[in-house]
Amino acid sequence: EPEVTQTPSHQVTQMGQEVILRCVPISNHLYFYWYRQILGQKVEFLVSFYNNEISEKSEIFDDQFSVERPDGSNFTLKIRSTKLEDSAMYFCASGLRFRGRDYGYTFGSGTRLTVV
Amino acid sequence: AQSVTQPDIHITVSEGASLELRCNYSYGATPYLFWYVQSPGQGLQLLLKYFSGDTLVQGIKGFEAEFKRSQSSFNLRKPSVHWSDAAEYFCAVGARQAGTALIFGKGTTLSVSS
Repeated sequence: EPEVTQTPSHQVTQMGQEVILRCVPISNHLYFYWYRQILGQKVEFLVSFYNNEISEKSEIFDDQFSVERPDGSNFTLKIRSTKLEDSAMYFCASGLRFRGRDYGYTFGSGTRLTVV
Repeated sequence: AQSVTQPDIHITVSEGASLELRCNYSYGATPYLFWYVQSPGQGLQLLLKYFSGDTLVQGIKGFEAEFKRSQSSFNLRKPSVHWSDAAEYFCAVGARQAGTALIFGKGTTLSVSS
C-alpha cells in the first residue's frame, strides 16, 4: 500500500536554528498538508498546499514557517528560527480528490522535533 | 465554530468486551469524517472514513462507525476488543472541499485489561 514517507524520524536542534522537515507524498496525490502534535495534545493543522501554492493555513503557520515542493516529489516544511515551543511531532499528509470522490488522506509516521 | 468533541479522555475495556468511543462534531456543512488510531510514538493510521452513502462504515481491524446527522455524531465501535487495540483514538472532521484542514478531537486513550 502506498505510504507517505517522512525524514528524519527524530531531529534535535538548538533554539534559533533553521530546520527542514522532509516528506515524500504518495505519487499521484495532489494535496499536501502539514500538521503538528505537541506532546499530549491534539493534532493541529498547519498548512495545506495545492498546485504549487498554499491553499489554507492556520494561525500557527506564521512567518517563521514556509513550505515548498522543490522537485515534484518532495514536500518540505521549513522553520526559520526554532523556538522551544516548536518542539512537537510534525505530520505530513497527502490526499487526492477527483470528480468529487476521495481517494485518500494519508498521514506519514511523523518527525519528532526537539528544540533545546 | 468548527470543533470535534471526544468526551472520554480515557477508557478501560476488558479484552473481549465491546467498545464504543464517542465523537461529536460541530460543523457548518455536511462533513467528511475520519477515525485515526495512534500507538505511542507512532503516526496516525486511518481506521475508517465517511464521505457519503451508507451511514454505517466498516474499517480496518474490525472497527465500524455510524454517522448520525441528527445527533452530529460519528461513534466508533468494535464488538470484541483485543489487547493490541490499546492506543489513542482520534476523531477528525473535514470539509468536502479538497485541500482544507482536518479538525481533530483531543483523542481518547484506550486501555485494555486482561
